[in-house]
Amino acid sequence: DQQVKQNSPSLSVQEGRISILNCDYTNSMFDYFLWYKKYPAEGPTFLISISSIKDKNEDGRFTVFLNKSAKHLSLHIVPSQPGDSAVYFCAASAGGTASKLTFGTGTRLQVTL
Amino acid sequence: GAVVSQHPSWVICKSGTSVKIECRSLDFQATTMFWYRQFPKQSLMLMATSNEGSKATYEQGVEKDKFLINHASLTLSTLTVTSAHPEDSSFYICSGSFTDTQYFGPGTRLTVL
Repeated sequence: DQQVKQNSPSLSVQEGRISILNCDYTNSMFDYFLWYKKYPAEGPTFLISISSIKDKNEDGRFTVFLNKSAKHLSLHIVPSQPGDSAVYFCAASAGGTASKLTFGTGTRLQVTL
Repeated sequence: GAVVSQHPSWVICKSGTSVKIECRSLDFQATTMFWYRQFPKQSLMLMATSNEGSKATYEQGVEKDKFLINHASLTLSTLTVTSAHPEDSSFYICSGSFTDTQYFGPGTRLTVL
């Protein structure tokens, strides 16, 4: 039972444009959501997070939007840069940030010149 | 951000032997650490939650006698894969919770021949 889903396995975006990565979840107990960036053979790097009491959180080029009624969140990267090319995972936890994370299947982002 | 290290970064062992992987939080104290596993082209799957000074909590389907976890101090957790078999070959990643975020180590690539 995949509780966190990223339905797009890959995404290609031109440099300077906006990248939008999507994530859906099924467990209504999730109250904290995070996005991680990962390169092959490396651990995930934290990007940005959002609590379920908010619907938007912004940090530099990264913005995360949360739609609780649709159980959907998205990560916007603007402008996209070649260095953003990586696999992006969304993750969710129930019971706060110190709780275990359930990861999505990942989306590979390719930013082209 | 907080830094988590893992050692070794990669290991090759013979079937039937045991392998120990160390996870250290370098600049913060982690009451709770988590161990994940990632098979090729799959998501990160939580194996167990490690709490300092107490027994680890294992996820369903993870054999606690095969994957021994010790969280001896606030900065060190170890995972020992006992009697390793080729199907245990995977990428093992640990994380520690700090200031409302989980920070991940670089991972350990285990190959069992």
